[in-house]
Amino acid sequence: NAGVMQNPRHLVRRRGQEARLRCSPMKGHSHVYWYRQLPEEGLKFMVYLQKENIIDESGMPKERFSAEFPKEGPSILRIQQVVRGDSAAYFCASSYQSQGYEQYFGPGTRLTVT
Amino acid sequence: DAKTTQPTSMDCAEGRAANLPCNHSTISGNEYVYWYRQIHSQGPQYIIHGLKNNETNEMASLIITEDRKSSTLILPHATLRDTAVYYCIVRSGSGNTPLVFGKGTRLSVIA
Repeated sequence: NAGVMQNPRHLVRRRGQEARLRCSPMKGHSHVYWYRQLPEEGLKFMVYLQKENIIDESGMPKERFSAEFPKEGPSILRIQQVVRGDSAAYFCASSYQSQGYEQYFGPGTRLTVT
Repeated sequence: DAKTTQPTSMDCAEGRAANLPCNHSTISGNEYVYWYRQIHSQGPQYIIHGLKNNETNEMASLIITEDRKSSTLILPHATLRDTAVYYCIVRSGSGNTPLVFGKGTRLSVIA
């Protein structure tokens, strides 16, 4: 069973460009979480999604950031007009509804804004 | 904010047991104790979780005190590959709630 997959693993964007980060959950998992880890800091929750629904976006910055998890395809975290402060590692995790509790993380996408 | 308190760092000799403590004095009745670790800059790895009883799996053992105000993660025979930051997390048992990571304990396994 393949684990959580994220791509790209590394992404370089210039200030003002858009960044799209993709996350494919483990097979059978319908819950996706995004976390961000700024350099030398801990992991912070951003958003929790189920298929076609945003359940909790309390950790998302109010502007420029959006997330979706369509019926088909991966979850997408989109950052518009990136700034240097967006440089971080972005991790996606997934969980299976009936098990509920363990979240399994992907390898992360490292975003560098130049 | 994280509901747990952990030492900032610990050392352990290779082959010995690593005992990582965690205080969670405000834990409520339906909250579980989870442990994750992050090796270098990889994605966090689930280790184990428990509610009241001690738990053991192929990676580690989790010992929870009777009053549930603290717990200890035990890696029975630490190897160099166990060097990582270990996070103790208290999380509601109802629903798929997000994980709240604190600063964790940086465990260094020394040859």
